[in-house]
Amino acid sequence: DAGVIQSPRHEVTEMGQEVTLRCKPISGHNSLFWYRQTMMRGLELLIYFNNNVPIDDSGMPEDRFSAKMPNASFSTLKIQPSEPRDSAVYFCASTHINQPQHFGDGTRLSIL
Amino acid sequence: QKEVEQNSGPLSVPEGAIASLNCTYSDRGSQSFFWYRQYSGKSPELIMSIYSNGDKEDGRFTAQLNKASQYVSLLIRDSQPSDSATYLCAVKDLTFGKGTMLLVSP
Repeated sequence: DAGVIQSPRHEVTEMGQEVTLRCKPISGHNSLFWYRQTMMRGLELLIYFNNNVPIDDSGMPEDRFSAKMPNASFSTLKIQPSEPRDSAVYFCASTHINQPQHFGDGTRLSIL
Repeated sequence: QKEVEQNSGPLSVPEGAIASLNCTYSDRGSQSFFWYRQYSGKSPELIMSIYSNGDKEDGRFTAQLNKASQYVSLLIRDSQPSDSATYLCAVKDLTFGKGTMLLVSP
């Protein structure tokens, strides 16, 4: 089992640039979650998908953030334009019905 | 807004002692509760889930749930230095507390 795979592991970019984070869920899992973690706010759910369909995006901070899941094996989280306050660790997690979430290793994002 | 509250700590205990971690939640209708462990620089990993009032034991870990008081706790018996981490309480696996840092000293 390869686990949830996120890329890149680290991203450093200048404010105003577009940032794309990628996630490959565990094969067979039908739910995918994007989280953001900071010291101040802890682990926050941004959006989650069931069977590739966005179910709850109420945690997406603003229109600069967007997420897609074009198929069962791939999802992206995009920030455009990026701002320094977006600096955080972004986690992707996947699960199957009534099973616990499995987290990826995260992407550490720094916006200068 | 649904909230999950935890004491940020750090909670310091000596090796071999019992560590008690606590969590309260605001959504009275919540049915499922989870404890995750997160080592520094790593991703959260699930260690316990509980759905019914009472205690659930798994090895050195015991989760306790009291829905009437909207309270869930995690007890770690015979604490080891390797248990030093941040423990996150989650409700319905979607809303997380900010976590309690546990430090177990040798």
